[in-house]
Amino acid sequence: KAGVTQTPRYLIKTRGQQVTLSCSPISGHRSVSWYQQTPGQGLQFLFEYFSETQRNKGNFPGRFSGRQFSNSRSEMNVSTLELGDSALYLCASSSTGVPYNEQFFGPGTRLTVL
Amino acid sequence: TQLLEQSPQFLSIQEGENLTVYCNSSSVFSSLQWYRQEPGEGPVLLVTVVTGGEVKKLKRLTFQFGDARKDSSLHITAAQPGDTGLYLCAGDQGGGKLIFGQGTELSVKP
Repeated sequence: KAGVTQTPRYLIKTRGQQVTLSCSPISGHRSVSWYQQTPGQGLQFLFEYFSETQRNKGNFPGRFSGRQFSNSRSEMNVSTLELGDSALYLCASSSTGVPYNEQFFGPGTRLTVL
Repeated sequence: TQLLEQSPQFLSIQEGENLTVYCNSSSVFSSLQWYRQEPGEGPVLLVTVVTGGEVKKLKRLTFQFGDARKDSSLHITAAQPGDTGLYLCAGDQGGGKLIFGQGTELSVKP
């Protein structure tokens, strides 16, 4: 089974621009969660989507948004980029067929904001 | 807000030594995952513990979930250079959300 894929792997943007990151979950997984990883804050939860609906959201400003498509693929968007948005953005997929939240991560998208 | 405190933050040891990483919280989690992450890559799931008091072994790695499901530990026996990496514990907060500890940066020198 193919793992979680994320595109692009690397991205360089300037302040004020917007960016869209893509995530394809493991086949059959319908839940996709997004995380931001920085050296200072570690891994922080952004939001989770299941069946095209956002079920949970972390403490991030409204500039961070996402969506999920009918094939479970997900995108996240960051508008009006700030220097502090430079981070590794990770998505993870999980199956709802197990009674606990076991998440499998993609390789991440390294975003650099100049 | 549930928090997970992971210790130590950094660990540098010689090949062949044993080590233990701790993950503690004041809150109860329904499950807890341990991950290992290489630089520039996503975390790779090592194990999920669900039942209080549960012990799971993965070759030289032993994972334990506390009886009250508030804490966990990872013990590595006879560490090897290939064990080098960032070890992360993550508690299931529900709704697709995992709460992560700050991580333990392990370096095993030959």
